[in-house]
Amino acid sequence: QIQLVQSGPELKKPGESVKISCKASGYTFTDYAMHWVKQAPGKGLKWMGWINTYTGKPTYADDFKGRFVFSLEASASTANLQISNLKNEDTATYFCARGEGIKAFAYWGQGTLVTVSS
Amino acid sequence: DVVLTQTPVSLLISLGGQASISCRSSQSLVHSNGNTYLHWYLQKPGQSPQLLIYQVSNRFSGIPDRFSGSGSGTDFTLKISRVEPEDLGVYYCLQRTHNPPTFGAGTKLELK
Repeated sequence: QIQLVQSGPELKKPGESVKISCKASGYTFTDYAMHWVKQAPGKGLKWMGWINTYTGKPTYADDFKGRFVFSLEASASTANLQISNLKNEDTATYFCARGEGIKAFAYWGQGTLVTVSS
Repeated sequence: DVVLTQTPVSLLISLGGQASISCRSSQSLVHSNGNTYLHWYLQKPGQSPQLLIYQVSNRFSGIPDRFSGSGSGTDFTLKISRVEPEDLGVYYCLQRTHNPPTFGAGTKLELK
């Protein structure tokens, strides 16, 4: 069955970096895009961007340009999200979600909570 | 960016009752290919969003027929009949017709 399994929770200080992974199984990794979605505590969902898992090309939403990097370890069917120079407002749960063209995100990871606190 | 306005913000429903959630878009969600990419999700506490309805009115695999979606253009509705305890959580609409994808702010379904 199709699964996206994300790495565990992270506690970081402001200014540090964090890397979250999303390991896919149950399908051919390079046939589907991987999207990232942010959810701040008690808030709604915000699309961050996506990465083409075939070419490796990332696309970032305007609010996520600069400190956010999407990458792949295609041989391991894994997509990564790295956030540098962490700020308090980066405290959130980050979800990966499989994309198929412009259709709905049908499969999601379980989410990774990143807490930024001094 | 397309703004999706969900109403109500919260909904108090008795078990076995019916719930209706509206999602209004700031622009038409009809794609140039004729399809409408408006989808509905339920996020239960502590879980990731789960797809309920895709492209306005199609139930995703395993979703019971108590859930139905309707609408067109800029105005969409999710109806939940015979509400059960496992239906509680926050419902979101998502549009993928226009870039970037955007979500509604959510509607929290609670028990009366």
